[in-house]
Amino acid sequence: NAGVMQNPRHLVRRRGQEARLRCSPMKGHSHVYWYRQLPEEGLKFMVYLQKENIIDESGMPKERFSAEFPKEGPSILRIQQVVRGDSAAYFCASSRSVGQELGYEQYFGPGTRLTVT
Amino acid sequence: GESVGLHLPTLSVQEGDNSIINCAYSNSASDYFIWYKQESGKGPQFIIDIRSNMDKRQGQRVTVLLNKTVKHLSLQIAATQPGDSAVYFCAETYTGGFKTIFGAGTRLFVKA
Repeated sequence: NAGVMQNPRHLVRRRGQEARLRCSPMKGHSHVYWYRQLPEEGLKFMVYLQKENIIDESGMPKERFSAEFPKEGPSILRIQQVVRGDSAAYFCASSRSVGQELGYEQYFGPGTRLTVT
Repeated sequence: GESVGLHLPTLSVQEGDNSIINCAYSNSASDYFIWYKQESGKGPQFIIDIRSNMDKRQGQRVTVLLNKTVKHLSLQIAATQPGDSAVYFCAETYTGGFKTIFGAGTRLFVKA
């Protein structure tokens, strides 16, 4: 059973370009979470999605950032007009459910390291 | 606001010794806590979890202790090995919530 897949693993963009980060959850998981991590810091929640729905985007910057999880295909985190401050590692996680009976265990992907030059 | 913090940013232990990593959380409504291990260049890996109706839970070589009175969480690693060297994060969430709040992390160094 493959784990959470993310691609690309490394992405270099010039200021002003767009970055598209992909995440394929574990098989059977319909909940996807995106986190951002700066060097030597913890993970910061960005957005939580279920299939075709954004459930909680309270951690997402209001401008330039968007996320989707279509019915078919991976979840996409899109950053438009990137700036140097967007350079970070972006992690995706998936879970089967948020119900207490199944716990909240999230399985993380290997991350995408975005560098904005 | 978000506030899950750790008392010690770095911890250095001798191989074979026990390690204790501490964490403070601020949300009294949090009822589920998780410890993650993150090795360099990798995503966080689940270690152990605990619900608020428990004060102790044991896994293989790891034990998590929860003190709700002082909102404190700790991870104990028995007989620490070089492979345990990593950054450890505590995280909290609550029933019906979707947001997992991560602490800043503690870097564990294991000296051979």
